[in-house]
Amino acid sequence: DARVTQTPRHKVTEMGQEVTMRCQPILGHNTVFWYRQTMMQGLELLAYFRNRAPLDDSGMPKDRFSAEMPDATLATLKIQPSEPRDSAVYFCASGRGQGPTDTQYFGPGTRLTVL
Amino acid sequence: AQSVTQLGSHVSVSEGALVLLRCNYSSSVPPYLFWYVQYPNQGLQLLLKYTSAATLVKGINGFEAEFKKSETSFHLTKPSAHMSDAAEYFCAVSEFGGSQGNLIFGKGTKLSVKP
Repeated sequence: DARVTQTPRHKVTEMGQEVTMRCQPILGHNTVFWYRQTMMQGLELLAYFRNRAPLDDSGMPKDRFSAEMPDATLATLKIQPSEPRDSAVYFCASGRGQGPTDTQYFGPGTRLTVL
Repeated sequence: AQSVTQLGSHVSVSEGALVLLRCNYSSSVPPYLFWYVQYPNQGLQLLLKYTSAATLVKGINGFEAEFKKSETSFHLTKPSAHMSDAAEYFCAVSEFGGSQGNLIFGKGTKLSVKP
């Protein structure tokens, strides 16, 4: 049963520290999405990759967030420096890249707390 | 711009009762619509999706949704609620244009099921 994996599942850090979240998409999927979920804003798209190339990162604060796909099996989301307002659950999702009807498969999320 | 609105952030039903979760969409083109479910401390999972093949869509766990263009709605129903249906449900529309495959999510509806 293929799944999207995310590490770490939980992260507590202090303001100003660097945070790196990792995602392994389902093998053979060529689209990767990063979402942030908070009580106030709900689910927000941060970044979207197809074939490892960033297609849309307009939802990401550029001064502190960065997203990359070093290879087809790894996507990373970095926050440097982290701030308390970054506390949220960060989800990675992957898909087959079949266009607007594609199903996205979500990982279990990384719960980030910035003190 | 496309969007979805979910009416009611919380819905409570008794076990065995009808479940009705409302979703209205806004789109200038025929939309592709999705319902995802999120169980506590888990990622989102696809329940069903409308891809214009049929207006009544059947999904997993006994859920179904009907696309009504005249009402711009895609409400989710289940004839008889089960305790295991307690979760948060998200309606989403697929974005057109350069970010095809990107989903725009509603704020979510938390379903409680009383014994």
